[in-house]
Amino acid sequence: AQSVTQLDSQVPVFEEAPVELRCNYSSSVSVYLFWYVQYPNQGLQLLLKYLSGSTLVKGINGFEAEFNKSQTSFHLRKPSVHISDTAEYFCAVRGFNTNAGKSTFGDGTTLTVKP
Amino acid sequence: NAGVMQNPRHLVRRRGQEARLRCSPMKGHSHVYWYRQLPEEGLKFMVYLQKENIIDESGMPKERFSAEFPKEGPSILRIQQVVRGDSAAYFCASSPPGLAGGSGNEQFFGPGTRLTVL
Repeated sequence: AQSVTQLDSQVPVFEEAPVELRCNYSSSVSVYLFWYVQYPNQGLQLLLKYLSGSTLVKGINGFEAEFNKSQTSFHLRKPSVHISDTAEYFCAVRGFNTNAGKSTFGDGTTLTVKP
Repeated sequence: NAGVMQNPRHLVRRRGQEARLRCSPMKGHSHVYWYRQLPEEGLKFMVYLQKENIIDESGMPKERFSAEFPKEGPSILRIQQVVRGDSAAYFCASSPPGLAGGSGNEQFFGPGTRLTVL
């Protein structure tokens, strides 16, 4: 079984400031890790994913995340945010080589970018 | 290539009625997943289906909820005798065939169906 904890429910920042959205997970098996963005009244869009290899993963819209196995974390970062980054962000995990295929999501972090 | 399609986008039902939510996966995708998002919460897994098979229904409520993915046509999530607590956004995702249920493959999400129970 897996669980995901997003440590901040709301993150307000000013435009052009850096931001970090924190995600910790627990799992009895190795996992794949994902970050999704959800704009109001829309579905989820994949920002980036970690499957294997380099622990620093770059995604769309200038976002990146670093997988830290020892700390079981997968924090999302962006060096300079824009107003258009205002949205809900979800961290998710999925177990390796299981037939389940299901993703376990955190409760989300609302990023609000202020001018 | 059209994305995952869900309809209706909004559905209003009175308590005791039935709700049918439809999901057409992306072309070539044979895995479908349903998730429920309650207000102010993340997505919670409900069921994982392949064509004509339920692979994992561990997240489905034991009563009133059922899902199918027939050989032809969309996947259907059916909620019988809806109650106010069923009000939520229901998202469908699909992924292509692959190793172990496509664990490493991206799941592509539809826009969701927002169910309101009066």
